[in-house]
Amino acid sequence: AQTVTQSQPEMSVQEAETVTLSCTYDTSENNYYLFWYKQPPSRQMILVIRQEAYKQQNATENRFSVNFQKAAKSFSLKISDSQLGDTAMYFCALGEYGNKLVFGAGTILRVKS
Amino acid sequence: KAGVTQTPRYLIKTRGQQVTLSCSPISGHRSVSWYQQTPGQGLQFLFEYFSETQRNKGNFPGRFSGRQFSNSRSEMNVSTLELGDSALYLCASSPDGSNYGYTFGSGTRLTVV
Repeated sequence: AQTVTQSQPEMSVQEAETVTLSCTYDTSENNYYLFWYKQPPSRQMILVIRQEAYKQQNATENRFSVNFQKAAKSFSLKISDSQLGDTAMYFCALGEYGNKLVFGAGTILRVKS
Repeated sequence: KAGVTQTPRYLIKTRGQQVTLSCSPISGHRSVSWYQQTPGQGLQFLFEYFSETQRNKGNFPGRFSGRQFSNSRSEMNVSTLELGDSALYLCASSPDGSNYGYTFGSGTRLTVV
């Protein structure tokens, strides 16, 4: 069965600094996708970044980048130059062919001014 | 381009009643998925519809059902409500459910009293 583990329930970071959120997963598939979603207090889940397992290059979206270690089944999210608007719950998710996502428990990130 | 629209935003129901939640996907998206989010269980996959057919189903009792219409709008129904059904129900759409990345709505907050 697929599982996603986020071991950091809460994290804090000062504005303009860098923070890394951890995620490990387990799957028996060779082809799959990994995602980081952000859920602010507005409740809407917002896609932050997406990684295809067959791509060795780590995905990057502006201030957000990932460190994808396929052999270790690790998928961490780095947020550079943190902004107050980054304050949210962050979910790591695993998507295999089969049209469903398996989510981790989430990490609450607080950006302090 | 309008996002994923879920109605209603909030709902209060009594134990034993039934409820119907609605989701309008992004125009052109044919895949709609439903997730239940609770503090205890996190985000759990309910089911996914594509072109009016249920393609995948999570591990929920038969009280939870859904359907998709020809315009891709989807509804989910919960019958004989229990207190434990209190949750945020999130709908997500994608063009074809190929895990490119789902776009989520803001959810319906259901409270069962």
